[in-house]
Amino acid sequence: QKEVEQDPGPLSVPEGAIVSLNCTYSNSAFQYFMWYRQYSRKGPELLMYTYSSGNKEDGRFTAQVDKSSKYISLFIRDSQPSDSATYLCAMYSGGGADGLTFGKGTHLIIQP
Amino acid sequence: AAGVIQSPRHLIKEKRETATLKCYPIPRHDTVYWYQQGPGQDPQFLISFYEKMQSDKGSIPDRFSAQQFSDYHSELNMSSLELGDSALYFCASSLGSGRYEQYFGPGTRLTVT
Repeated sequence: QKEVEQDPGPLSVPEGAIVSLNCTYSNSAFQYFMWYRQYSRKGPELLMYTYSSGNKEDGRFTAQVDKSSKYISLFIRDSQPSDSATYLCAMYSGGGADGLTFGKGTHLIIQP
Repeated sequence: AAGVIQSPRHLIKEKRETATLKCYPIPRHDTVYWYQQGPGQDPQFLISFYEKMQSDKGSIPDRFSAQQFSDYHSELNMSSLELGDSALYFCASSLGSGRYEQYFGPGTRLTVT
């Protein structure tokens, strides 16, 4: 079993809908939680990061972390066709370990 | 804003050949990370450098080596290439070591034939 599980999709929703993307994880050492957006043939782009449990909002994006359930979410409000991409969750434990642990990514399609 | 630069963007090599990938971090960033992303896979951490010293090591094969130079750019050297090495190779950079805020470059697509 992978440390981070993420449904690969594809997830197809109409423009303007609220999108919910989720990841679960098994390693309780993870302290930082990130969401990256990756367009086809491009590098991952850091969208948001959250430390420990709680919510963080940035424009149309809201990240939620529930450490007790080992579950994180990214919500996108008023979704736009330009939001169509693969969204990867990533996690970091710190403590001398440098590498991020990624989910497989969810392919999101926003239909105009 | 300046981003991470990687070169070349595409590389085709034959089995058993060698390849060198280059990464130029965001200005003032002192830490570089290398990741490998196979087809349909998530990025896997290979190795990282901080202030020209290896900082952490992930699932990097012994056939691969890397270093960071005085201007903070980094090179990933890959020898005895195998078909399974075909992947996207990303470099990321951060300010300070052991950082969760890692900014990725566009990647180098390596194809081994």
